[in-house]
Amino acid sequence: NAGVMQNPRHLVRRRGQEARLRCSPMKGHSHVYWYRQLPEEGLKFMVYLQKENIIDESGMPKERFSAEFPKEGPSILRIQQVVRGDSAAYFCASRGQESTDTQYFGPGTRLTVL
Amino acid sequence: QKEVEQNSGPLSVPEGAIASLNCTYSDRGSQSFFWYRQYSGKSPELIMSIYSNGDKEDGRFTAQLNKASQYVSLLIRDSQPSDSATYLCALTPGGSNYKLTFGKGTLLTVNP
Repeated sequence: NAGVMQNPRHLVRRRGQEARLRCSPMKGHSHVYWYRQLPEEGLKFMVYLQKENIIDESGMPKERFSAEFPKEGPSILRIQQVVRGDSAAYFCASRGQESTDTQYFGPGTRLTVL
Repeated sequence: QKEVEQNSGPLSVPEGAIASLNCTYSDRGSQSFFWYRQYSGKSPELIMSIYSNGDKEDGRFTAQLNKASQYVSLLIRDSQPSDSATYLCALTPGGSNYKLTFGKGTLLTVNP
């Protein structure tokens, strides 16, 4: 029973490039959450998606960031024109249908912007 | 006021002792409460979940929830060096889509 998968595990980009982070939820899970952990800071919610729908993007920066969870394939968090301040660990978590289901985290993608 | 506050660390205990981790929250409508453990450079790993007032025990771990006092705690009995990690308190705020709000974490070191 595979857990939450994320790739790449490490990503290096230069300022101005695009970063694309992928997340495949646990089997049977249709709810995906993205969180960001900046150095020396706590985990912060970014966006909550279900298949083909963005449910809550209140934690997403207004510009350069977008997320999707298509009918087929992984969820993708896209960061355009990256800046040094985007360097962080980005975690994806998934949960099942029941409201009290816990969220299980993937291994994360560590983004470094040069 | 921060939404989720954890007792400032780092916390250091000798092996075999009880480690006590505390967390307070501001949203009275918060529904579900979680403790995650995060080793350096790794992802958060669920330790305990608790939904109603009282204690919940799982092996060496006991979570305590007091909604009237807006307080959640985690006790680790017979602490082991392998318990050394950052412990994150998290909750789902009232009226949310079950997104998690985290505290900043408490770094626990268990000394052999």
